[in-house]
Amino acid sequence: AQRVTQPEKLLSVFKGAPVELKCNYSYSGSPELFWYVQYSRQRLQLLLRHISRESIKGFTADLNKGETSFHLKKPFAQEEDSAMYYCALRTDSSYKLIFGSGTRLLVRP
Amino acid sequence: ETGVTQTPRHLVMGMTNKKSLKCEQHLGHNAMYWYKQSAKKPLELMFVYNFKEQTENNSVPSRFSPECPNSSHLFLHLHTLQPEDSALYLCASSQGGGQPQHFGDGTRLSIL
Repeated sequence: AQRVTQPEKLLSVFKGAPVELKCNYSYSGSPELFWYVQYSRQRLQLLLRHISRESIKGFTADLNKGETSFHLKKPFAQEEDSAMYYCALRTDSSYKLIFGSGTRLLVRP
Repeated sequence: ETGVTQTPRHLVMGMTNKKSLKCEQHLGHNAMYWYKQSAKKPLELMFVYNFKEQTENNSVPSRFSPECPNSSHLFLHLHTLQPEDSALYLCASSQGGGQPQHFGDGTRLSIL
């Protein structure tokens, strides 16, 4: 079955520390992975997608098909990065996005 | 604000009531989606419409009835809901299946 796992419900780090939000997926085909973010009192929005291979707000994520992972990383966390982060999987030729349960990132001053 | 607009923002209804949720997108997208977000559960896709045609029904109970009269509007008609249907219902749209989805603020639904 297709599934996305985010093992950490809450990740708390200090400002300036590195951050890694974990995401593992289960899918035997060719996946497309996304990270969505929801800041306080804002709507869910796309942060980045693996096919773009770009850095958004200092965040990067690399698709590792061997480990079936798409971890989100940032070398130096900022307080404004505090938010709920969701990893999502899209399977071949599908409109369907399968979301993980989300990780709350709290960046302390 | 342009983008995806959902109304109402909050809805409280009894199990025997009939109500509808509305979603409107001003992005020129051709695909629209309904998601359910329950406490302590991942966001779950309910329905997908592409050019007004339903392309996905994720085994949703018939007490939820979607309607997509055009590519800009999407409704979710509710009747005889159960307490476990209390959740945040999110609407999203995208330009095609492989493109990023843009979400609304959601409707917080409480079933008494």
